[in-house]
Amino acid sequence: DGGITQSPKYLFRKEGQNVTLSCEQNLNHDAMYWYRQDPGQGLRLIYYSQIVNDFQKGDIAEGYSVSREKKESFPLTVTSAQKNPTAFYLCASCPTVGPQHFGDGTRLSIL
Amino acid sequence: SQQGEEDPQALSIQEGENATMNCSYKTSINNLQWYRQNSGRGLVHLILIRSNEREKHSGRLRVTLDTSKKSSSLLITASRAADTASYFCATAGGTSYGKLTFGQGTILTVHP
Repeated sequence: DGGITQSPKYLFRKEGQNVTLSCEQNLNHDAMYWYRQDPGQGLRLIYYSQIVNDFQKGDIAEGYSVSREKKESFPLTVTSAQKNPTAFYLCASCPTVGPQHFGDGTRLSIL
Repeated sequence: SQQGEEDPQALSIQEGENATMNCSYKTSINNLQWYRQNSGRGLVHLILIRSNEREKHSGRLRVTLDTSKKSSSLLITASRAADTASYFCATAGGTSYGKLTFGQGTILTVHP
């Protein structure tokens, strides 16, 4: 089945640690997105990439980094500079013409 | 920054009733989309309405758009318990399906 796979489903971060969230898609979509969702809130855009080897900051990029070395993959690193990383992280992809398709998210918590 | 404001924040109805959710936005848009999110899951696209359209239907869903008021509404008719979810509006500015700005969402609970 075509879709977006996010892993892990749950992740715990220790103080001062960087953690990487995985997002893989087999939909052959050019664009990919990372969102952060806090309880009872909407989605806020962290980073997005419209083509391989290129990405742009979204509204809340500070403390996060990404790479886009392959069309299928768009990993997100939550760095130690992100002081409040506890949230639900959602990855999405989008064709040139069409709606966004979402993974089932990674829930990140602080140990 | 959040573009959309949704109203109400929470809605509780009985099965068979209609549910109406509203979304307002601040800047000009190319299109407006509605998504659904079941608890702990990703979002699922429901329907898209372009800025030159006023109303669109898909099954039990009806979406309206009033660009002069910068607002949209989502109507779910004959609701079912399985419709229980959070519903989000999202606006797209430049490209038709690209970077989206999401509203805060409406939590819909449908009681059997």
